[in-house]
Amino acid sequence: GEDVEQSLFLSVREGDSSVINCTYTDSSSTYLYWYKQEPGAGLQLLTYIFSNMDMKQDQRLTVLLNKKDKHLSLRIADTQTGDSAIYFCAEDNQAGTALIFGKGTTLSVSS
Amino acid sequence: GAVVSQHPSWVICKSGTSVKIECRSLDFQATTMFWYRQFPKQSLMLMATSNEGSKATYEQGVEKDKFLINHASLTLSTLTVTSAHPEDSSFYICSAGPGLAGVTDTQYFGPGTRLTVL
Repeated sequence: GEDVEQSLFLSVREGDSSVINCTYTDSSSTYLYWYKQEPGAGLQLLTYIFSNMDMKQDQRLTVLLNKKDKHLSLRIADTQTGDSAIYFCAEDNQAGTALIFGKGTTLSVSS
Repeated sequence: GAVVSQHPSWVICKSGTSVKIECRSLDFQATTMFWYRQFPKQSLMLMATSNEGSKATYEQGVEKDKFLINHASLTLSTLTVTSAHPEDSSFYICSAGPGLAGVTDTQYFGPGTRLTVL
């Protein structure tokens, strides 16, 4: 079935770049997403990429998509303490009617 | 931008009681809303798709008689957890999109409702 996998933890120093990786199984996904969840809060859509794109850049965020390997990554440049949160990778389900989420990567930024 | 609200943000109830959670799209109309559940340190799991004016579509393994969904208008969907038990304690999140039904590229999430059942 559809599945999305992420590493659970990432720890970086302030000012460094963070790279969060994700693999997915459904090659028919039209969009792939990155969401951010701060403690006790709901989800915030950070960015998404259309499946026919390889890369998308939005200020400090860079999304890379390797469709052949079904691998998605999110790079955060100049990581700040405010970036500490859980980051979820998600893909469309096969019917295109909902989102399938990974378990989330907890990003910890130390000063 | 589009805003989705949920009420209440946190609810504590006794075992055996029912709890209603509201999800509202504040500045757009949503034909379809989604309900997710999130256990601690786990991913969000889609529970059901709520369609305005028709019955909800439940994911496999979700009891429709226990989790009652009503989508009475284009801006409001409710999830009622009936006869709640401690194992129902979780974070419930809804999402809605201003796009066409079934299009997921512009989903906006509510802030979530934390349910604790004693």
